[in-house]
Amino acid sequence: KQEVTQIPAALSVPEGENLVLNCSFTDSAIYNLQWFRQDPGKGLTSLLLIQSSQREQTSGRLNASLDKSSGRSTLYIAASQPGDSATYLCAGYMEYGNKLVFGAGTILRVKS
Amino acid sequence: GAVVSQHPSRVICKSGTSVKIECRSLDFQATTMFWYRQFPKQSLMLMATSNEGSKATYEQGVEKDKFLINHASLTLSTLTVTSAHPEDSSFYICSASGDQPATEYFGPGTRLLVL
Repeated sequence: KQEVTQIPAALSVPEGENLVLNCSFTDSAIYNLQWFRQDPGKGLTSLLLIQSSQREQTSGRLNASLDKSSGRSTLYIAASQPGDSATYLCAGYMEYGNKLVFGAGTILRVKS
Repeated sequence: GAVVSQHPSRVICKSGTSVKIECRSLDFQATTMFWYRQFPKQSLMLMATSNEGSKATYEQGVEKDKFLINHASLTLSTLTVTSAHPEDSSFYICSASGDQPATEYFGPGTRLLVL
């Protein structure tokens, strides 16, 4: 059974810091990987999608990488802002099973 | 494009009643829809996968008689929580997948509170 671990579970940083959020899978047979943002009481906002043939994706201050051999992904947030405060979820689509498997998330708070 | 809506966004009901949640793909045809449940401060757990015109496939531990899923058209799936109890209170999120493989578009979620 695929398990997804996100580290750290929570993070509080001052504004302007660069951050790294980590995601790891017990089974590295990942077809693609996606990072989402979830604000309290809200649905999911897709941030970055890394397809199976890719190693990283960038959007603005966000950069996500995927190392399929180790089953690990990182989300890098540059120059963090208070508006970045949210829960960040990683999820992988498995090469088998045809479904997304989510991590428990990292709760991020950026203090002004 | 690829917008998914859910209705209602929030519902409060009495214990023992049934609640229906709708999930619609607004600008694409969803051959597959997924229903997830999220308890406070926990991640999303897949409940079931439904393909248009066929019976839903439920994940282990999810009672199919309690969580009725209907995917009658390529743009609409419904989740009915039957005889709801307080422990069913949760955030229910649907997603929809079209032609692009391994890609889901998520709805905004429905918060259910059972008193």
